[in-house]
Amino acid sequence: ETGVTQSPTHLIKTRGQQVTLRCSSQSGHNTVSWYQQALGQGPQFIFQYYREEENGRGNFPPRFSGLQFPNYSSELNVNALELDDSALYLCASSLGGSSGRAETQYFGPGTRLLVL
Amino acid sequence: DQQVKQNSPSLSVQEGRISILNCDYTNSMFDYFLWYKKYPAEGPTFLISISSIKDKNEDGRFTVFLNKSAKHLSLHIVPSQPGDSAVYFCAASKYGNKLVFGAGTILRVKS
Repeated sequence: ETGVTQSPTHLIKTRGQQVTLRCSSQSGHNTVSWYQQALGQGPQFIFQYYREEENGRGNFPPRFSGLQFPNYSSELNVNALELDDSALYLCASSLGGSSGRAETQYFGPGTRLLVL
Repeated sequence: DQQVKQNSPSLSVQEGRISILNCDYTNSMFDYFLWYKKYPAEGPTFLISISSIKDKNEDGRFTVFLNKSAKHLSLHIVPSQPGDSAVYFCAASKYGNKLVFGAGTILRVKS
């Protein structure tokens, strides 16, 4: 059974650029959630995708967008990068039921983004 | 609006003794609670969870207690081992789709 994987592991961008982060969910999982973890804080929920549809969004601006593909892998896109976007971006997968309720979320290793 | 709080930034425990990590929450709609462990440069690793219909759940050395009236949960690790040294996050969810995390507690187990 393959766990959650993310790419790239590290990334350096400049302010104003755009970035795409990728996540492959654990085998058998159909739900992907994205979190941002700033230094010294707990992860903050960005959004969740269940069977290719957005299923909840946190308090992040529209320049944070996402996709989920038929194989349940996912992308997080951030446009017009700002210095404060520097953080660890975590992807988590889980198995959601038909009601959209998801169970325990399993995290990938994260992508460390630095915006200069 | 911090709905989940871990008021102790750090905890130091002797090897073999009990570690108790605490977490408080404010939203009475939360129905599922989890503990994660995180090492530097890795993602959070799931440890143990508890549903709001229970008040205790055990898994090996780890036990989670939930006190709904006090909106408080705790993680007990017995016996503590040096490999348990990590950052521990408490998380809560309502219907499971969004995890709300505390700021974490750094646990150091001294040998």
